[in-house]
Amino acid sequence: NAGVTQTPKFRILKIGQSMTLQCTQDMNHNYMYWYRQDPGMGLKLIYYSVGAGITDKGEVPNGYNVSRSTTEDFPLRLELAAPSQTSVYFCAVGGQGAPGELFFGEGSRLTVL
Amino acid sequence: AQSVSQHNHHVILSEAASLELGCNYSYGGTVNLFWYVQYPGQHLQLLLKYFSGDPLVKGIKGFEAEFIKSKFSFNLRKPSVQWSDTAEYFCAVLQTGANNLFFGTGTRLTVIP
Repeated sequence: NAGVTQTPKFRILKIGQSMTLQCTQDMNHNYMYWYRQDPGMGLKLIYYSVGAGITDKGEVPNGYNVSRSTTEDFPLRLELAAPSQTSVYFCAVGGQGAPGELFFGEGSRLTVL
Repeated sequence: AQSVSQHNHHVILSEAASLELGCNYSYGGTVNLFWYVQYPGQHLQLLLKYFSGDPLVKGIKGFEAEFIKSKFSFNLRKPSVQWSDTAEYFCAVLQTGANNLFFGTGTRLTVIP
């Protein structure tokens, strides 16, 4: 039982490159989230999904895209990486039936140079 | 939009000292309140939560928090900290019925043995 798994854990990108952060869960939660954590800024919600085929924007969605084709997977895509996207990204699941009670992955540290 | 304020950015305490971390939020309606903790090198995990009822809630590892509605506050307390409490602590607020958990900027706690 792995919980919430994020890959990669670390990545360095050049400006303009694209990449996908993967998030997989085996907890059978319908609700999944992507947050970014910047120093001194706390966590900000990028996108979330309440089930397969359903996604919605959070506070800071610009520059990102998501898809949710299965219950287990919720990838986050950066199409044209910018230095402002340097951050630590956290995937989380939970909240349905227990609002606000989230289980987080270990994070993916992304640096855009 | 909801905002969550944690005024203490970095707190340094000696072991056995008492701890109180402040959290204030802006939303005037019904909210659910949370404290999450991130130990060094680990993912965020739920420390305690308030939904309704007794405004003094107890969490894991001897932590407690008090909801004071008139002050829009949800301060975290622990009577006697241990070195193992060294971590970053995040207050979070969820408007009832919403999906977006708003996080504060976090407070880094360092406990000196």
